Amino acid sequence: EVQLLESGGGLVQPGGSLRLSCAASGFSFSNYAMSWVRQAPGKGLEWVSVISASATNTYYADSVKGRFTISRDNSKNTLHLQMDSLRADDTAVYYCAKTGSPDKYYFDSWGQGTLVTVSS
Amino acid sequence: EIVLTQSPATLSLSPGERATLSCRASQSVSRYLAWYQQKPGQAPRLLIYDASNRATGIPARFSGSGSETDFTLTISSLEPEDFAVYYCQQRNSWPLTFGGGTKVEIK
Repeated sequence: EVQLLESGGGLVQPGGSLRLSCAASGFSFSNYAMSWVRQAPGKGLEWVSVISASATNTYYADSVKGRFTISRDNSKNTLHLQMDSLRADDTAVYYCAKTGSPDKYYFDSWGQGTLVTVSS
Repeated sequence: EIVLTQSPATLSLSPGERATLSCRASQSVSRYLAWYQQKPGQAPRLLIYDASNRATGIPARFSGSGSETDFTLTISSLEPEDFAVYYCQQRNSWPLTFGGGTKVEIK
């Protein structure tokens, strides 16, 4: 059974930093691209970033480009999201998601999410 | 950026009725469109990928159709557990984008 467990969320002041992690199990982590998707309170889903299986390629939404960095450690089956220069509109539940196929960017498994609140 | 517009925003139906949800893309996404279901307090669940392929474990009452810019998710006969918010997502080009969602509520 695929399991994705996010951690690292919390309250941070505007301009601050936070590092999210996602521990993966139940599948061959190094064979799948992984992604972060967020959802602001009461709003819809917003794709944030994706990293290819080998970490060769990364992609970002314009809203986070230059501020967020996605990475992975295939030896530890872990995905990360380094978030810098945080703003109030980054407040959201952040989901870790597994792609459904090694080269197809839809998401067949999701974690339960970790809440990031940016406020003074 | 490809904009996905979902309609209607809210669909009020009774159990047993047929639900038809629309997702329109601002430019062609070929057949690279997925549908997700999300219930309150839960993570999204993949229903359909590549326009018409049901994900593992998804009941046959869920079906997807369409191509290019116009897509439809159909729930043939609503079960009580189907009342939720539904999102479409395209993977044809970067950035990946989601639609704004359709809420299917009990009439």
